[in-house]
Amino acid sequence: DTEVTQTPKHLVMGMTNKKSLKCEQHMGHRAMYWYKQKAKKPPELMFVYSYEKLSINESVPSRFSPECPNSSLLNLHLHALQPEDSALYLCASSQGTVKQYFGPGTRLTVL
Amino acid sequence: DQQVKQNSPSLSVQEGRISILNCDYTNSMFDYFLWYKKYPAEGPTFLISISSIKDKNEDGRFTVFLNKSAKHLSLHIVPSQPGDSAVYFCAASIYGNKLVFGAGTILRVKS
Repeated sequence: DTEVTQTPKHLVMGMTNKKSLKCEQHMGHRAMYWYKQKAKKPPELMFVYSYEKLSINESVPSRFSPECPNSSLLNLHLHALQPEDSALYLCASSQGTVKQYFGPGTRLTVL
Repeated sequence: DQQVKQNSPSLSVQEGRISILNCDYTNSMFDYFLWYKKYPAEGPTFLISISSIKDKNEDGRFTVFLNKSAKHLSLHIVPSQPGDSAVYFCAASIYGNKLVFGAGTILRVKS
């Protein structure tokens, strides 16, 4: 199983809402990642978890809060987002190598 | 500062011919390079990679060439097929910690 799953597929939220994005992998990978991708732009790294601990935070605003409850799950909690945060949010995982496996993404729209 | 550059936003190739996608980088500390393919509404899919100690890696129809002195890599697809039509991202890594992506090249293979 080389699949990374993400839910929901689409999410529309207001600026005062609180929502969460979920990511799951069952490949035994010990590193998990959140990326943000705007239209016609490359994915940009937001966070890296290694062995369930946050190892990289690319100066992401605090309205994005990651959480890694266990080695298979990764969440991204969203609160008080801005319209410019609308994007495709991608989750990825890897194990001991550079090769990362990506999920299909969550298309987020902030109204 | 864009450390990984894909200067061709798009490329159109006839089915059966060779597709050559190019990528330039500026950081000599990059030690691993990858190519990802992305269809609309899907996450990036790993295609092929190359370590900085090699100059060529081949996998079926896909070959990646690395020229370290020129800080340039290229992806060759031979023969090109309509199903290869997608966005191709070049990515680079330092010590496997994070990937830095280029802006992507849209490949269209005409039948």
